[in-house]
Amino acid sequence: QSVLTQPPSASGTPGQRVTISCSGSSSNIGSNYVYWYQQVPGTAPKLLMYRNDQRPSGVPDRFSGSKSGTSASLAISGLRSEDEGDYYCAAWDGSVRVFGGGTKLTVL
Amino acid sequence: QVQLVQSGAEVKKPGASVRVSCKASGDSFTSYEVNWVRQVTGQGLEWMGWMNPNSGKSASTQKFQGRVTMTSNASINTAYMDLSSLRSDDTAVYYCTRGLIIRGIIVNSYFWGQGTLVTVSS
Repeated sequence: QSVLTQPPSASGTPGQRVTISCSGSSSNIGSNYVYWYQQVPGTAPKLLMYRNDQRPSGVPDRFSGSKSGTSASLAISGLRSEDEGDYYCAAWDGSVRVFGGGTKLTVL
Repeated sequence: QVQLVQSGAEVKKPGASVRVSCKASGDSFTSYEVNWVRQVTGQGLEWMGWMNPNSGKSASTQKFQGRVTMTSNASINTAYMDLSSLRSDDTAVYYCTRGLIIRGIIVNSYFWGQGTLVTVSS
């Protein structure tokens, strides 16, 4: 049972906009920044978003993040086949880093 | 460009210990904390703890306290994670991660190692 709650799956067709949610509590998302990671099967996770809505260099602006209260979301617009993979949210909860259970994104 | 290269796969018997190494290149090794994250096959990410190569300080989640030791050797830019009293449910891919300073902000777990599969089986 993960501390942060994500839907187990999401899907969309190429070109569509998809949103993945991440729900937490006042001790994690409510009081700390949210990070998002993308993991293509068989590879290491890659940082996709930091400090709620900041994209690292090289991450397309099709990806955007937001946070409100104790929830956060990752939006992917103009969905592409290479966006398929697992997405994880993360935040600090006191001195412990907690992750969401992950959302498997399928591009139909 | 920073790279984190981890040691190869390991097969261990229950009750044994394992050491996973993580060698950093391309940047100052002691400037950033190293975090360790593991992933059981088919499951999500689980944070294990962090260590500061500069101070030697470390901390882990309660789940691993008493079984995990995180250290480093700055002279060879390498961090280590030792896990003892291995059980079958410790079978997982173990990742080391490191941060990066972006516009004066330390961004946690920016770089990831390729992962090390540790299999615990009798």
